[in-house]
This record gives sequence, C-alpha cells and structure tokens, in this order.
Amino acid sequence: GAVVSQHPSWVICKSGTSVKIECRSLDFQATTMFWYRQFPKQSLMLMATSNEGSKATYEQGVEKDKFLINHASLTLSTLTVTSAHPEDSSFYICSASTEFGRPQHFGDGTRLSIL
Amino acid sequence: QQQVKQSPQSLIVQKGGISIINCAYENTAFDYFPWYQQFPGKGPALLIAIRPDVSEKKEGRFTISFNKSAKQFSLHIMDSQPGDSATYFCAASIEGYGNKLVFGAGTILRVKS
Repeated sequence: GAVVSQHPSWVICKSGTSVKIECRSLDFQATTMFWYRQFPKQSLMLMATSNEGSKATYEQGVEKDKFLINHASLTLSTLTVTSAHPEDSSFYICSASTEFGRPQHFGDGTRLSIL
Repeated sequence: QQQVKQSPQSLIVQKGGISIINCAYENTAFDYFPWYQQFPGKGPALLIAIRPDVSEKKEGRFTISFNKSAKQFSLHIMDSQPGDSATYFCAASIEGYGNKLVFGAGTILRVKS
C-alpha cells in the first residue's frame, strides 16, 4: 500500500521550455503533497507543500513563478518548471501523506535535464 | 534549531556486520523521527519511524534507538547485507509545523560481501 507514482521519470528539454511533472497517489487520498529537489550526493531540499484545493506554500528562496504547483485533486499534484534553464536541472521528488500527515510516502523522482 | 545532524557521511561494513548511523537534533518540539533508504535514481523509501515516547523500535533487521535526554537517535542494521547498500537519511518533523520533514545530510552505506 501507500504507492506514489511520479511521471515522467526522466525528461530532457531545451532551455526556455516549460516542463510538467505529475505526482499521483495510487492507493490512498493524499491530503498533503510535498515537492523536493535533490542535487547529486546531497540531501532532499523541501521546495513547497501543497494541500488539496489550496495554494501551495513555498519554502524561503523558492521562486513561486518558476515552480508552479497545482494540487487539484486528492490523488494528483503537478509541478511545472517554467522557462527552464540549465541551473534548474536536478532530481525532483514528490511525496504524499494522508490527513494524518505521517508518514510521507515518496515517488521515484524525476530527473530533469535542461540543455 | 531546525537542523538534524547525521553521521557518519559514509560507512563500510562487512556482510553480516552491524551498521550504525547516528542523528542528533536541537529542537525539542520534534515529535516524529523516520528513517528513509534511498537507492540511486530512486525516491526515498520509509524504513522505520519512532516517536519520542518510545526508546526503541525494531522492525526486522532494522532498529531505531532513541535517547530523548541526549536528543539523539540512531539506526542499527543487523546482519547487514550487500542489498542494504544505499543512502540512508534520518529526518524529523513537528506535527504543528505541517509535518514538514527536516532531513539529515545522509549516510552512504556500502556492505562488502
């Protein structure tokens, strides 16, 4: 149980384009979803928290207009990287939790490469 | 105060040995302490978690020891296997703080066969 699916697993795109990453909870209703960024050999850095039907709460230093998060249903959240540039290349991981908040279940991540 | 300090950075253990990873925190408001295992190119997977009212929790070969007074907790992997080779992250969260996880820096474990 508690499966979180993330799609795509790997995406390569040109600088200036926008990329959408989907995060789905397959067997539970995710009241809260979290988006993380991870650089090679580093820990996870929380980017934002989203609750279903509400605007996302972004961590300090994360550009809201660059990283658009939508949590329109209890099973789906999306992260759109707008006007992506090479410095946005990273491993993006989502997690989801029920109304109890714990534990967080993670997706398998999306490796984003901007050329 | 929101940091979780994890050590060691990397660890090499012989097959069958015990792997021990330690974490320390400052904020006594933390009330939930999970451990995650991450393989290369994958997302973290929850291994085991503990709350501060319990001093030890065991699940299979994985045990969390928790020392509330010292503000430390550790993961013990008994009978370590090559398949346990991965990066391990400790984390902590506060229920009233949106359950946001604060992660340690991670420990790269290699189990030699």
